[in-house]
Amino acid sequence: DAGIIQSPKHEVTEMGQTVTLRCEPIFGHNFLFWYRDTFVQGLELLSYFRSRSIIDNAGMPTERFSAERPDGSFSTLKIQPAEQGDSAVYVCASRLASPSVTKFFGPGTRLTVL
Amino acid sequence: GENVEQHPSTLSVQEGDSAVIKCTYSDSASNYFPWYKQELGKGPQLIIDIRSNVGEKKDQRIAVTLNKTAKHFSLHITETQPEDSAVYFCAASIGAGGGADGLTFGKGTHLIIQP
Repeated sequence: DAGIIQSPKHEVTEMGQTVTLRCEPIFGHNFLFWYRDTFVQGLELLSYFRSRSIIDNAGMPTERFSAERPDGSFSTLKIQPAEQGDSAVYVCASRLASPSVTKFFGPGTRLTVL
Repeated sequence: GENVEQHPSTLSVQEGDSAVIKCTYSDSASNYFPWYKQELGKGPQLIIDIRSNVGEKKDQRIAVTLNKTAKHFSLHITETQPEDSAVYFCAASIGAGGGADGLTFGKGTHLIIQP
C-alpha cells in the first residue's frame, strides 16, 4: 500500500539557487496539497490542486514560490530563488474527492537554505 | 476565515498518566475535526477524527470530544507511553462539498512523555 512519496527527503542548497520539490500522491487521490511546517507557525497551507488545476495558492508566501501538477498526478513545488527564510519542512498531502475529507500526509522534504 | 487555537504548546506528563490537548475554532460551519500526530522526521499522520454529528469518539487509548456550542474539541490520551511523544496537531474543516478546502490547523502541541 504505497503512501505519498516526496523527494528528496533532505535538500541543502545555497541562497539564490532554484529548489524543486516533488510529490507523488496516493494513487487516485484527486486533491493534492502543499504545506510548509516551520515548527513556529505550525502547518501552513501553501497551495492545493484538484486534478491539474490550482484551486487556491493564496498561502504561497511570495512569487518566488510556484507549484504545478501538469497531468493531475505528481506535483512539483519550486522556489526560485531560495532564501534562508525558506528553510522548513515541506509536506505534501492528498485525499480523494468529496465527500471524503480525510487527508493523508507525506513524510515531508526538509529544506535547508544556507 | 477559520481560526484554530491549540493549547498547550508543550505538555510534559509522566508515563502512564493522561494527556489532554485542547483546541478551539471560530467558524461555526466547521464540521470535521481531525487530529494528527507528527513524529520527528516524519509527516503528520491522522490518528483520529470526529464529525460534528457526534460528541465523542474513542479508539483504544485515544479519545476526542467535541462541544459544538462552545466550539472546542479535545484530544485525550490515557495510559501514556514513550511512543506517544510527538507533536500533535488539531484541525478544523468545513466538509468537502464543492471545491472549498477549509482545513485549518492549530500550531501544534509538543507532547513529552517522561519515563
